[in-house]
Amino acid sequence: AQSVTQPDIHITVSEGASLELRCNYSYGATPYLFWYVQSPGQGLQLLLKYFSGDTLVQGIKGFEAEFKRSQSSFNLRKPSVHWSDAAEYFCAVGEFYSGYSTLTFGKGTMLLVSP
Amino acid sequence: DAGVIQSPRHEVTEMGQEVTLRCKPISGHNSLFWYRQTMMRGLELLIYFNNNVPIDDSGMPEDRFSAKMPNASFSTLKIQPSEPRDSAVYFCASIIGTGGDYGYTFGSGTRLTVV
Repeated sequence: AQSVTQPDIHITVSEGASLELRCNYSYGATPYLFWYVQSPGQGLQLLLKYFSGDTLVQGIKGFEAEFKRSQSSFNLRKPSVHWSDAAEYFCAVGEFYSGYSTLTFGKGTMLLVSP
Repeated sequence: DAGVIQSPRHEVTEMGQEVTLRCKPISGHNSLFWYRQTMMRGLELLIYFNNNVPIDDSGMPEDRFSAKMPNASFSTLKIQPSEPRDSAVYFCASIIGTGGDYGYTFGSGTRLTVV
């Protein structure tokens, strides 16, 4: 079964500094990979996704992620963090099995932004 | 579009009581997922439906949990009897088709507290 590991439970970044959130996955085939963001009291919003092709994918709100097959990683990056980016971030791997898709999520990384 | 609508937003109930959570998917989406989010276990897939038919309920933790989708615009997740360890945020998500593009839309969740 697929699994996702987000090794950092909390990360604090100064406003304007760069950000990298780590994600490692375990999946036998070519993975479908996703990053979601969850603001307090809200549902999950899709930031970006990787299916195939260019390993560097661009998402909304200035985020990007790079798929590295050799490292089984899909780290999320942003060059300059804004206070509004404070939220919880979830990496997920998708499986398409018997004609149906499901998502398996990591446990999330809480991003705190300091002034 | 109003998005995926979940009700209630918050539910506090006493142990042993029946709890019913409700979800209205986006119109035209014919697959629906129920997830549970806890600090310890993160986001877990409980059950998903396609065209109102339960496809996989292997994530439902116990027989106390049941879910139905009587029509394309409504689903319920019921816990009877409820226990304190059921306290969590329950999310509903919907997609078009069987999700090959993983265009999941999540609701804002129901925060359940069982005392």
